[in-house]
Amino acid sequence: DGGITQSPKYLFRKEGQNVTLSCEQNLNHDAMYWYRQDPGQGLRLIYYSQIVNDFQKGDIAEGYSVSREKKESFPLTVTSAQKNPTAFYLCASSRGFYNTGELFFGEGSRLTVL
Amino acid sequence: GQQVMQIPQYQHVQEGEDFTTYCNSSTTLSNIQWYKQRPGGHPVFLIQLVKSGEVKKQKRLTFQFGEAKKNSSLHITATQTTDVGTYFCAGNFGNEKLTFGTGTRLTIIP
Repeated sequence: DGGITQSPKYLFRKEGQNVTLSCEQNLNHDAMYWYRQDPGQGLRLIYYSQIVNDFQKGDIAEGYSVSREKKESFPLTVTSAQKNPTAFYLCASSRGFYNTGELFFGEGSRLTVL
Repeated sequence: GQQVMQIPQYQHVQEGEDFTTYCNSSTTLSNIQWYKQRPGGHPVFLIQLVKSGEVKKQKRLTFQFGEAKKNSSLHITATQTTDVGTYFCAGNFGNEKLTFGTGTRLTIIP
């Protein structure tokens, strides 16, 4: 079945450690996105990629980094520079970036910093 | 950047009552999408509206897109416990990234 796979589902990290969240899609979509969701809050865009080997900062990119070396993969690294990293992270993809059509979301990764 | 305002932030209804959430933009939208996120889950696409004044129905859910393409609503008739979750609108402005509303969290009192 086509879809988006995020891993790990749950992750615990000590302060000062970097952590990388995986996002893989087999939908042949060009555009991919990372969102952050805090309890009871909406979706805030961290980074997005319109096409392979290209990505742009979203609204809250500080303390995060991404890469897009393959069309199907868009990993997110939460660095030690992110002051409040505990959150629910959602990866999504769409056919295109402008007038996107449906966004497909992964099941999310819940990061807790101890 | 463009913004999409969504109200109310929370709505508690008795099972069987109706529910409506509204989205508004200060500028014209190319289209608007609606998503549902169950508690602990991820957003799932419900529908996309493109045409001015468009109305679409999915069983007990009715989606409307305003004549000026600046506002939209989602109405649920006779809510059920399965309707619990957060409903998000998301607006496409044509030449910018998709912008999500802040969401309306619906809780049902049995």
